[in-house]
This record gives sequence, structure tokens and C-alpha cells, in this order.
Amino acid sequence: AQKVTQAQTEISVVEKEDVTLDCVYETRDTTYYLFWYKQPPSGELVFLIRRNSFDEQNEISGRYSWNFQKSTSSFNFTITASQVVDSAVYFCALSEDTGRRALTFGSGTRLQVQP
Amino acid sequence: EAGVAQSPRYKIIEKRQSVAFWCNPISGHATLYWYQQILGQGPKLLIQFQNNGVVDDSQLPKDRFSAERLKGVDSTLKIQPAKLEDSAVYLCASSQGEFIAYNEQFFGPGTRLTVL
Repeated sequence: AQKVTQAQTEISVVEKEDVTLDCVYETRDTTYYLFWYKQPPSGELVFLIRRNSFDEQNEISGRYSWNFQKSTSSFNFTITASQVVDSAVYFCALSEDTGRRALTFGSGTRLQVQP
Repeated sequence: EAGVAQSPRYKIIEKRQSVAFWCNPISGHATLYWYQQILGQGPKLLIQFQNNGVVDDSQLPKDRFSAERLKGVDSTLKIQPAKLEDSAVYLCASSQGEFIAYNEQFFGPGTRLTVL
């Protein structure tokens, strides 16, 4: 059965610090998709990134970067030079069956960025 | 472009009462999802519709939960009777197509249900 684990329940950093959010997944599929979503206090989930299982290249988007390592079944998310606006709950999620299956979410990591 | 609309935003009921939530997806989106998000947890899929047909309802507690998507547009999720453990945020999401790999899901603001 598919599973997504986010072991860090809550992280607190001071503005401008770098922070990495960990995500470990389990799946028997060879083709699957991994996602990160942000849930700010308003509650709406905001899509950040989608990565398929055949693309292990790291990705960078502004202050955000993602490290996908199939060998360790991890898909970690790093925020560089964190800002107060980054404060939110971040979810890692998995879609199996070549991306046909609905998302299985981890339990989330609450990030608090202090000014 | 308007986002996914949900109502009500908040609902408080007594256990054993009934409640219904409404979702209006983004115009043209064929796929609609209902998720349950219990406090401190990630969202869990309850049901997925493709147009007005059910794709996946394997995690829907069918003895008390029901959902419909008449005409393939709006959707209603009902709980009857509610239990204390149903206290959660109910999120609706929509996408243009069924394959999550190619179709981004857009989420609504959710309905926060408190069962007393």
C-alpha cells in the first residue's frame, strides 16, 4: 500500500535561515508522481511542484528547491532564505498507477518562520 | 477565473444530526474530489467523480456518508448521522481531467465541521 511519511511535525526557524522539509514515501509502482503542496492559514492547498518517478533531476524555483532520490525513496523540499510568508503547513503527496490515482498525503510539516 | 467554491465555510452540529456540504468546481473541470482533513493530518480522499460518475469511493464510509454530482457540475457531500469523529475540514478539489499526472488539482477553501 502507498504511504507518505513526514516525520517533522513542526519546524521553527528565524527569517533568512534555510530549512529542509523531509518526505519519505512507499510504493510498489514503478511509475508514480510526487507532489508538494502548501497550506497557508487561509486553508486552501496550493500546488508547488509535481515530479514523476523517472525524473530524478533536482529542481529549483526561486528560493524553493526539491531533491528527489529514488534510492532512499525521498523527496525533500528546501526553502532558502526563509521569509515570514513561508509560514504554513507543507504536505508531500503521492499518486500511483501512472498518476491515475488520487493523492495520498503525508501528515504535513508546520513551518513557522519568526521575524 | 473563479476558483473552487464551497459552502458553508463553517458548520457546528450535534452528533446524530445530518449535514450537507456543497461544492462548485472550476468551470469546465470534469474531475471532482472530496477530501476529509482531520486536525493535524493530511487530507484523505473520500470520493472522486469523473463527470457524474464515481471513479473511486473506496474510503467513503458509505453507512453514513453519501455524495452526488448530478449533471456533472456541482456536488453535494452528506453525512447522516454525524459522529464526533467526523469533525474535520472537508475539502473539495477539481481538475480538468482524471490523470493527476497531467491535470493540476485546484482546492477550495474547505468547510470546517464541528460535531458536538
